[in-house]
Amino acid sequence: DAKTTQPPSMDCAEGRAANLPCNHSTISGNEYVYWYRQIHSQGPQYIIHGLKNNETNEMASLIITEDRKSSTLILPHATLRDTAVYYCIFYNFGNEKLTFGTGTRLTIIP
Amino acid sequence: DADVTQTPRNRITKTGKRIMLECSQTKGHDRMYWYRQDPGLGLRLIYYSFDVKDINKGEISDGYSVSRQAQAKFSLSLESAIPNQTALYFCATSFGDTETQYFGPGTRLLVL
Repeated sequence: DAKTTQPPSMDCAEGRAANLPCNHSTISGNEYVYWYRQIHSQGPQYIIHGLKNNETNEMASLIITEDRKSSTLILPHATLRDTAVYYCIFYNFGNEKLTFGTGTRLTIIP
Repeated sequence: DADVTQTPRNRITKTGKRIMLECSQTKGHDRMYWYRQDPGLGLRLIYYSFDVKDINKGEISDGYSVSRQAQAKFSLSLESAIPNQTALYFCATSFGDTETQYFGPGTRLLVL
């Protein structure tokens, strides 16, 4: 299975944009990049996903490089409630499942 | 009301006991999943089901079994619980061929 690499932790000041990177150099052409987050020990929450085009929704933006080897999740105006572990994940239609890594622990600082 | 519910939310049991964790959903989704999460780690897939008659093993299915009693219900059983099955267990659902999964609140299991 293709693997993702994320920094284990990041800090961001409240009100600033939080940019969370993810490397996925072995991604294949039919694998989507998904982002989820987990606040404390709650169930993970879907944020956004994309294949090759940049995507935006009410929660975040997803920027995928042209070669698809990396992506960045952007939370435009971080709040304290955005403190969570953020997972960058592949969905492989052949394996029909999501594979979670260990994620990035994002701390929003007042 | 929550769309994906799990019962119990917390459970303490002893080594060798059989235990069942239950998951119900009102989202009308056809696909359901069971994951476990150990401290400081990501989620690992135990079993998944794409419809009532479909059951598939995930990456860590040993020591577990599942039952898909209806489209809305997916149960996870530990036939003979052991301490290294102490973990946080999550159920999730998704619809069709989109892998946007919706997670339940989790069941915290302690095996003594």
